[in-house]
Amino acid sequence: AQKITQTQPGMFVQEKEAVTLDCTYDTSDPSYGLFWYKQPSSGEMIFLIYQGSYDQQNATEGRYSLNFQKARKSANLVISASQLGDSAMYFCAMREIRTGANSKLTFGKGITLSVRP
Amino acid sequence: DVKVTQSSRYLVKRTGEKVFLECVQDMDHENMFWYRQDPGLGLRLIYFSYDVKMKEKGDIPEGYSVSREKKERFSLILESASTNQTSMYLCASGGGTVATDTQYFGPGTRLTVL
Repeated sequence: AQKITQTQPGMFVQEKEAVTLDCTYDTSDPSYGLFWYKQPSSGEMIFLIYQGSYDQQNATEGRYSLNFQKARKSANLVISASQLGDSAMYFCAMREIRTGANSKLTFGKGITLSVRP
Repeated sequence: DVKVTQSSRYLVKRTGEKVFLECVQDMDHENMFWYRQDPGLGLRLIYFSYDVKMKEKGDIPEGYSVSREKKERFSLILESASTNQTSMYLCASGGGTVATDTQYFGPGTRLTVL
């Protein structure tokens, strides 16, 4: 079973508008962390934002925020005021803290975002 | 800033060749990782290392081996390259025992096996 699911085939957004990228996850672990990464066409993976399973508030980092709904097991990334430079592939990832290899990340398949001028 | 470097951005090899992909990090991280990325499959973990000379298999270790003789350097080895190993290879370091620890990635090596 997939642990991280990103089903949106590709997203388009108008410059300066907000966009939500979906991510659902599956774990029986009570303690886990959720990450979002951005991969522009250059190939490098860039860390954007982190949400812990016990965090009471949704994480925010500048124009990025995470809409964390624990009961629904979803961790959607919201990008406000989109910029042309936001065009990239976005990956959701999870770390389950309980397992022995506690540094391992499990990645989703990614979503391509294109920002239109 | 954390710096993770990979020895090559692009590499072309022939079937059966032995291939070395090198990764170096400058942040004294204990953990280092090798992933491969294929369209529609996301990132898949090949091997990781949590200490010098220590390694653990990831999800797809077949056809690969690794070496970590020094803390800052983690090498991925394709003993006998095959065409199905044509892919983007990403190295990462970090991701310690604290939940918030993230992984930092290198620029990737796009390997083509002919």
